[in-house]
Amino acid sequence: QSVLTQPPSASGTPGQRVTISCSGSTSNIGSKSVYWYQQLPGTAPKLLIYNNNQRPSGVPDRFSGSKSGTSASLAITGLRSEDEADYYCAAWDASLSGWVFGGGTKLTVL
Amino acid sequence: EVQLVESGGGLVQPGGSLRLSCAASGFTFSTYDMHWVRQATGKGLEWVSGIGTGGETYYLGSVKGRFTISRQNAKNSLYLQMNSLRAGDTAVYYCARGDSIGFAPWGQGTLVTVSS
Repeated sequence: QSVLTQPPSASGTPGQRVTISCSGSTSNIGSKSVYWYQQLPGTAPKLLIYNNNQRPSGVPDRFSGSKSGTSASLAITGLRSEDEADYYCAAWDASLSGWVFGGGTKLTVL
Repeated sequence: EVQLVESGGGLVQPGGSLRLSCAASGFTFSTYDMHWVRQATGKGLEWVSGIGTGGETYYLGSVKGRFTISRQNAKNSLYLQMNSLRAGDTAVYYCARGDSIGFAPWGQGTLVTVSS
């Protein structure tokens, strides 16, 4: 059972907009920045979003993040086949004094 | 190019020990926090431990007292000493550089299998 809660799966067709939610508590998302990671099949995770809604250089602007209260969301617009991957949210948890991840969401592009 | 390369994984019996290493290159190692994150086969990511630039350490509750993270800045290296290993510790272990923008980059991972 992960500290941050994500839906196990999401799907969409090419060109569609998909959102992935991440729910936490006041000790993590509610008071700290949220990060999103993308893990393509068979590869190491890659940073996608930092500080709730910032994109590292090289990440397409089709990816965006938002946060409200103790929940966060990752949105992907103009869905492409290469976006098929596992997506994880993460945040520092002040009560645990450690980083916590969501259980991951497997995105399927139909 | 910033690069992280893990090594030291392998098969170990329950109760045994293993030391993972992470060789860093392409950046000033001493100025970054470093972390270990693991992933069991078919499962999600789980943060294991982190070490700050000043040597402060942080651990996942279930590994506290069994795992020790350390760094050797002169060798641009990060380590994870794992003792009293359990079957539940079986996973790919990634090292990752940490700063204000999160964990980036990640190494390719090293597989630890705890089994008799």
